Amino acid sequence: DVKVTQSSRYLVKRTGEKVFLECVQDMDHENMFWYRQDPGLGLRLIYFSYDVKMKEKGDIPEGYSVSREKKERFSLILESASTNQTSMYLCASSWRQPTSTDTQYFGPGTRLTVL
Amino acid sequence: DAKTTQPTSMDCAEGRAANLPCNHSTISGNEYVYWYRQIHSQGPQYIIHGLKNNETNEMASLIITEDRKSSTLILPHATLRDTAVYYCIVRAPYSGGGADGLTFGKGTHLIIQP
Repeated sequence: DVKVTQSSRYLVKRTGEKVFLECVQDMDHENMFWYRQDPGLGLRLIYFSYDVKMKEKGDIPEGYSVSREKKERFSLILESASTNQTSMYLCASSWRQPTSTDTQYFGPGTRLTVL
Repeated sequence: DAKTTQPTSMDCAEGRAANLPCNHSTISGNEYVYWYRQIHSQGPQYIIHGLKNNETNEMASLIITEDRKSSTLILPHATLRDTAVYYCIVRAPYSGGGADGLTFGKGTHLIIQP
């Protein structure tokens, strides 16, 4: 079974703090994704990585950065947390094979509260 | 990606089969039908996907109509743990391009009654 794990299920931080969210997958997937999910706004893509050290901006990258130093690990960084970044953060991974289906497997999510 | 339409909510008795419909009348020939679900406060979980043939795995069965304009997800023996929001989406195969995030609609809130 594919397993995607996230470093924390719940996190409470203060405004201005630097926040690290880490995601690890064990299926040797090339693609990894960071999303946030908010009521009424659905799932929104923050960043995507298709290989080590490679990254692409998603729909809402402002206020976030990412790091992928190893294939299995993808980190989301909030340089200076703000209250509007209170959300559920979801990591996902998938194979990268042209013309294949790209089923994404999700982690359990991190519910971040910024006070 | 083509748009999908699902009922807002459904009830099903525990132990019975839960049949969740999805309309995707504008689906393109190369687009797959995917189903995910999300239990409250957890990450989405992949269930099953298919192109035109019916599919079955350990979690569910997927029935796609011959014209591919609609599909039904079947949970054969629903349990209380199947209470979740179920999302039907259609997506083209991966093209080797860049970021291609998933977009879920509102989905169907399935409530399994004891």
